[in-house]
Amino acid sequence: DGGITQSPKYLFRKEGQNVTLSCEQNLNHDAMYWYRQDPGQGLRLIYYSQIVNDFQKGDIAEGYSVSREKKESFPLTVTSAQKNPTAFYLCASTSSGGVQETQYFGPGTRLLVL
Amino acid sequence: SQQGEEDPQALSIQEGENATMNCSYKTSINNLQWYRQNSGRGLVHLILIRSNEREKHSGRLRVTLDTSKKSSSLLITASRAADTASYFCATEFQGAQKLVFGQGTRLTINP
Repeated sequence: DGGITQSPKYLFRKEGQNVTLSCEQNLNHDAMYWYRQDPGQGLRLIYYSQIVNDFQKGDIAEGYSVSREKKESFPLTVTSAQKNPTAFYLCASTSSGGVQETQYFGPGTRLLVL
Repeated sequence: SQQGEEDPQALSIQEGENATMNCSYKTSINNLQWYRQNSGRGLVHLILIRSNEREKHSGRLRVTLDTSKKSSSLLITASRAADTASYFCATEFQGAQKLVFGQGTRLTINP
């Protein structure tokens, strides 16, 4: 089956700890995105990457970091600098990152702070 | 903020009725998309309507776009309990290769 997988489904972070959320796609898509969703809210863009080894900050990049070493993988690290990390994190991809494209989403990771 | 605004924030109707959700935005767009999210899950794409289109249909879904009013509506006809979900509009603004999501409408279909 083609699609996007995210792991883990739930993740717990201790104070001062960095945690990494995994996002993998086998759709052969060039572009990948990370969003944050708070309860009852829409999605806010954290980072996006339109090609391997390149990525851009979204609207709320502070306290987060990403890498794009492989086309199929776009991991997100929530650093200790992110003071309010509790949220639902969604990864998405598009074929080329160009205009007029629909986004395919993974199932999400819920991050909770202990 | 460029974020689209959705109205209503929550909608509860009886099964079989039609549900209408609205989305407004502020600047010129390339396209507007509607997505659905079941509780605790990822988003699923429903319809993309381009700025030069006025109406699109997909099964029981009908989307309209009025660029002069900077607004769009999503109509779900003959609603079913399985349509219970949150619905989001997402706009791709001209010059920006990314989507901006609204806050969503929570739709509840009562059996």
